[in-house]
Amino acid sequence: QSVLTQPPSASGTPGQRVTISCSGSSSNLGSNTVTWYQQLPGTAPKLLIYRSNLRPSGIPDRFFGSKSGTSASLAISGLQSDDDADYYCATWDDSLSSPVFGGGTKVTVL
Amino acid sequence: QVRLAQSGAEVKQPGASVKVSCKASGYTFTNFDINWVRQATGQGLEWMGRMFPNSGNAGYSQKFQGRVTLTRDTSTSTAYMEVSSLTSEDTAVYYCARALGSSSSGYYYMDVWGKGTTVTVSS
Repeated sequence: QSVLTQPPSASGTPGQRVTISCSGSSSNLGSNTVTWYQQLPGTAPKLLIYRSNLRPSGIPDRFFGSKSGTSASLAISGLQSDDDADYYCATWDDSLSSPVFGGGTKVTVL
Repeated sequence: QVRLAQSGAEVKQPGASVKVSCKASGYTFTNFDINWVRQATGQGLEWMGRMFPNSGNAGYSQKFQGRVTLTRDTSTSTAYMEVSSLTSEDTAVYYCARALGSSSSGYYYMDVWGKGTTVTVSS
């Protein structure tokens, strides 16, 4: 059972917009920023969004992160076949004094 | 560029220990935490612990406390993770990752990841 809750799957056709939710509590998302990682099949996770809405160099602006209260979301616009991957949200948990992850969302490009 | 190079795949018998290395390059090793995260086949990411290379201190997930030991060698900019009393449940890919932020800053994220080390526990 993950500390952060994500839907197990999401899907869309090329060009569509897909949104993934991430739900937490006051001890984690309620007081810390959210991070999103993308994991392509057979590879290590890759930083996609940090500090809730910032993109590392090289990440296209099709990826948009937001956070409000104890929930966060990742929106992927202009869906492409390369976006077919697992997406994980993460944050710091003040009660556990550790980073915590969501269970991951498998995005399928139909 | 910033890179974390992990050691190769391991096959261990139940009850044995395994030690995985993570060699950092391209940045000052002692300035950033190194976290360890594992992923069983078809499962999500599970945080195991973090090491503070400057002090050598470490923090562990309650699940792994007492069975996982994180160490480092600053002379070679290498972090190590040792897991003891292995069972089949420990079969997974183990990742090291550099982290930015702190518990008091409001943000903490892993910006660079190693490629992972596959550990298989089988008799």
